[in-house]
Amino acid sequence: DIVMTQTPLSLSVTPGQPASISCKSSQSLLHSDGKTYLYWYLQKPGQSPQLLIYEVSNRFSGVPDRFSGSGSRTDFTLRINRVEAEDLGVYYCAQSIQLPLTFGGGTKVEIK
Amino acid sequence: EVQLVESGGVVVQPGGSLRLSCAASGFTFDDYTMHWVRQVPGKGLEWVSLISWSGATTHYADSVKGRFIISRDNSKNSLYLQMNSLRTEDTALYYCAKDAYSSSWSWFDPWGQGTLVTVSS
Repeated sequence: DIVMTQTPLSLSVTPGQPASISCKSSQSLLHSDGKTYLYWYLQKPGQSPQLLIYEVSNRFSGVPDRFSGSGSRTDFTLRINRVEAEDLGVYYCAQSIQLPLTFGGGTKVEIK
Repeated sequence: EVQLVESGGVVVQPGGSLRLSCAASGFTFDDYTMHWVRQVPGKGLEWVSLISWSGATTHYADSVKGRFIISRDNSKNSLYLQMNSLRTEDTALYYCAKDAYSSSWSWFDPWGQGTLVTVSS
C-alpha cells in the first residue's frame, strides 16, 4: 500500500498569515499517462470532506485562489496564502494511482 | 444540485450483518464510479470499496475483503454496501462518494453526510 505521511499534525495560524502542509508518499504518484494522482481535501468541523485540489495543483470548482498545491512524484505541499477563519478544519492528502486508495493522517488547522 | 444521502447505519452486534444505502440525485448516476469511505469518529479517513459505473468492476480494502459487498442499482440511482461478519473495528461513519471517472477512479466529489455504524455487544 502507498503510505501518505502528512506534516505537521496540527497548525495554529493567525488570520491573514500563510500556512503550509506537507504530504509525502511512499511511492511516486506520477503515472505513465503524465498525470500525478494526488489530491487535497478539507473536512470542516461537523462536515463531510470536500475536494480542494486535484492532480497536485488544480483548484476544484469554487475553491478560493488563496489555496494552491505544488509538488511532484513523492513530495507535495498545500499552501494557504492568507488564512481565513473559515479555513479551519482537518486537511487530508490522498492518492489514487494505486489501490487501495489511501489518505494521509490529516493536519488539523486551528485559527488563533 | 448533486446530492448523496446515506442511510442504514444502526447499532449491530459483532458477527451481525447490515446493508447501507446511498441515494444519489442531481447527476447521471450511471456515468460514474462510486465509493464507500469510512471514518472512525475523531480519526482519519479509510477508503473501503469502489464500484465502476456498470458494476462490472469492484475493489475492496483488505480490511473488509470477503466480508463486505458493494453493489449498485442504476435504475434506482442507488449505491449499496452489504456488511457481513461485522467486527468492533468496523465501527465508523460511512460516507458514499462520487468519483470523477466512470470506469477508473480518481478524486471524490461530492461526499454524502455519512451514516453511523456501531458494532457493539
